[in-house]
Amino acid sequence: GAVVSQHPSRVICKSGTSVKIECRSLDFQATTMFWYRQFPKKSLMLMATSNEGSKATYEQGVEKDKFLINHASLTLSTLTVTSAHPEDSSFYICSASRESIYNEQFFGPGTRLTVL
Amino acid sequence: RKEVEQDPGPFNVPEGATVAFNCTYSNSASQSFFWYRQDCRKEPKLLMSVYSSGNEDGRFTAQLNRASQYISLLIRDSKLSDSATYLCVVNKGGSYIPTFGRGTSLIVHP
Repeated sequence: GAVVSQHPSRVICKSGTSVKIECRSLDFQATTMFWYRQFPKKSLMLMATSNEGSKATYEQGVEKDKFLINHASLTLSTLTVTSAHPEDSSFYICSASRESIYNEQFFGPGTRLTVL
Repeated sequence: RKEVEQDPGPFNVPEGATVAFNCTYSNSASQSFFWYRQDCRKEPKLLMSVYSSGNEDGRFTAQLNRASQYISLLIRDSKLSDSATYLCVVNKGGSYIPTFGRGTSLIVHP
């Protein structure tokens, strides 16, 4: 399968700071990437769809000014959690869609964010 | 009705058993279907795509039933290492946006 990296894998930060998470497709180009959040023992929740060269599309209830997404190239999308608070602590996972007739998604290893 | 529904389980089966999961979807225009596996505190990993004609990969068989709008995953000769959550994913018709089921938990015991 295709490889997607995510960095950092773990972040612990103080309340009020901003955290940037990078998602890279290593061996394919991804015009579309997705950002998810997953709380313990809960389902993956799609936060936003990131399209290369255009604005991200946010799911209902996700604040676009709080979760800034930039998809600057065909292999890189970033998610910035601005002014993080303890309730933002979660497992953030990105995925990249490989263009094919099936458009399979490949996931990064995730970033575990803990806001103190 | 939820867009993608799965029985959360858990399915508790002994090693060597055959187990099957179903996943129903509501959008008849859905085009692409997948099964992913997610281990605890890890990212989902693509297990297999589900083709119209069905597909098999070793002990795993996936089927699509468009008329009844469900996909299935059959695991034969279960191994302890098959214990995980199995996620059903459906791409909305006309787009690449995936919709995830809540997942079905499988526990294979000795």
